[in-house]
Amino acid sequence: EAQVTQNPRYLITVTGKKLTVTCSQNMNHEYMSWYRQDPGLGLRQIYYSMNVEVTDKGDVPEGYKVSRKEKRNFPLILESPSPNQTSLYFCASSLSGQGGAFFGQGTRLTVV
Amino acid sequence: GENVEQHPSTLSVQEGDSAVIKCTYSDSASNYFPWYKQELGKGPQLIIDIRSNVGEKKDQRIAVTLNKTAKHFSLHITETQPEDSAVYFCAASPTDSWGKLQFGAGTQVVVTP
Repeated sequence: EAQVTQNPRYLITVTGKKLTVTCSQNMNHEYMSWYRQDPGLGLRQIYYSMNVEVTDKGDVPEGYKVSRKEKRNFPLILESPSPNQTSLYFCASSLSGQGGAFFGQGTRLTVV
Repeated sequence: GENVEQHPSTLSVQEGDSAVIKCTYSDSASNYFPWYKQELGKGPQLIIDIRSNVGEKKDQRIAVTLNKTAKHFSLHITETQPEDSAVYFCAASPTDSWGKLQFGAGTQVVVTP
């Protein structure tokens, strides 16, 4: 089954404690992306990657890092989380940057 | 950069009626316009998309129209059913920023029986 898998689904952490949200896709897609979803703001792009070792900033990259060492994986790293990063996060993949995207189930992150 | 505005923010329709959601975009270079449906507790799901060389596209009960001159595009759902209740997002992707996708704020659609 074609899917994008994110882990964990829920996470509560404390300010400043480094964390990683994993994302994996099994469709051999070149393009992957991370979004955050906040009420009234829709989905905002954090980072995207066009292929292995190729990443670029989206609209809200501050406080986040990504890496793309393998085609199937695109982890999101928060080096020093802060409460304003409390949000619902989605990973997505697609065959091309402008093609339809497959989204993961989401990761609800709370930073206290 | 691109800015996408979506209206209305909430839409309540009677089962069987039609629903229309409208989006406007600012970047004339945008050429790809997808629509997503998000059900409670799930990730967005692509339901239909349109490219700038096409004015209208239809898939069963849903259709999307694009007016490049006015820079707006719309989602039309006919014969609405309770399972159409969800949040719908429009998005736009500019040709000169491959990989970027700008979303609207979303429309909560409620279909009442």
